Amino acid sequence: GESVGLHLPTLSVQEGDNSIINCAYSNSASDYFIWYKQESGKGPQFIIDIRSNMDKRQGQRVTVLLNKTVKHLSLQIAATQPGDSAVYFCAENAGGTSYGKLTFGQGTILTVHP
Amino acid sequence: GAGVSQSPRYKVAKRGQDVALRCDPISGHVSLFWYQQALGQGPEFLTYFQNEAQLDKSGLPSDRFFAERPEGSVSTLKIQRTQQEDSAVYLCASRGMGTSNTEAFFGQGTRLTVV
Repeated sequence: GESVGLHLPTLSVQEGDNSIINCAYSNSASDYFIWYKQESGKGPQFIIDIRSNMDKRQGQRVTVLLNKTVKHLSLQIAATQPGDSAVYFCAENAGGTSYGKLTFGQGTILTVHP
Repeated sequence: GAGVSQSPRYKVAKRGQDVALRCDPISGHVSLFWYQQALGQGPEFLTYFQNEAQLDKSGLPSDRFFAERPEGSVSTLKIQRTQQEDSAVYLCASRGMGTSNTEAFFGQGTRLTVV
């Protein structure tokens, strides 16, 4: 069936480095994608989203890239800080009658070393 | 409140016991979603409400799971005759109106442990 998945389950970086988290998706009908950050004991926190008619979107220290040709999504975090340590999920919305219903990937654990 | 509130934060149930999990969405948010998150996994969709109407319950794993939102605000997820495989974090999310609004706000979740 359709699914969203991540290439790397864990990522360890030094403080100040740039981080890149990748995600593959298979549902070509998805109209937007979201990256969430989840800290231990908390619910997912919205980071940034991108619509399917875009290929790049920038936020504060974060950039999301969408490559529809190869169905690939990435999250780039600039100057990674220890507070960025968390699990990162990509999620997609296929639209339809349940607009906002999200399909999540497995998650990548990001660890930032001071 | 300012965010999505879920209660209780933690629930321990004996196998076979019924449980009820509560979600208070952000005021005015039309859409409400329930997700189940197993340890080490991403959240998985359970059910979706638009106001009081349950438009999608395709993710509910069995007929032991039941959700309601009778007045279009607070929602309750009920699990009857709990089993060990029901142990997970149950997340509620709400979203405002309009397809231009993509951000769903999540609560902190209820961690259910069935013993």
